[in-house]
Amino acid sequence: NAGVTQTPKFQVLKTGQSMTLQCAQDMNHEYMSWYRQDPGMGLRLIHYSVGAGITDQGEVPNGYNVSRSTTEDFPLRLLSAAPSQTSVYFCASSYGAGRMNTEAFFGQGTRLTVV
Amino acid sequence: DQQVKQNSPSLSVQEGRISILNCDYTNSMFDYFLWYKKYPAEGPTFLISISSIKDKNEDGRFTVFLNKSAKHLSLHIVPSQPGDSAVYFCAATSPTGNQFYFGTGTSLTVIP
Repeated sequence: NAGVTQTPKFQVLKTGQSMTLQCAQDMNHEYMSWYRQDPGMGLRLIHYSVGAGITDQGEVPNGYNVSRSTTEDFPLRLLSAAPSQTSVYFCASSYGAGRMNTEAFFGQGTRLTVV
Repeated sequence: DQQVKQNSPSLSVQEGRISILNCDYTNSMFDYFLWYKKYPAEGPTFLISISSIKDKNEDGRFTVFLNKSAKHLSLHIVPSQPGDSAVYFCAATSPTGNQFYFGTGTSLTVIP
């Protein structure tokens, strides 16, 4: 079982470059989300989607863009990378949020460095 | 504003003893709480959960306690093992929301 697959695992970008972090899940989950993890800050929600064609902003959406054209895929785009976006990024999926007896399944993470 | 807080960044415990990790929340609408465990260079993995209709949920060595009046939950690990050394995150969600809210994490070290 693949679960949640994120690519790439590591990336170094120059300031101003753009890139897309890929996320795919094979569990037919409706809900997908992107988090960033920074020291002392825990996991902060960037964007989420409750189904194909529906996305919404989380706590820290600035500088990021998402789309959800299929149930399986939820890419995260950095429009113009900045050093403040240096972080570890996690994609997660679940049957839903705001409902009991669901848990989020996480990918292995993408460690991004912006120089 | 952090709605889920873990005030202890780190905890060290001897092998075989009890580990107690604490979590506080501010939003009274939260009704489902989860604990995740994270090893370095891996994504968080689900450990145990509890709904607000219960005050205790047990799964093997792991027990989560919920005190709704104090808006506090705790994770007990008995007995602690070296393989339990990891960062533990608590999370919460509400029936009217579309988000999981995570705490900042507690790094547990179990000393052999």
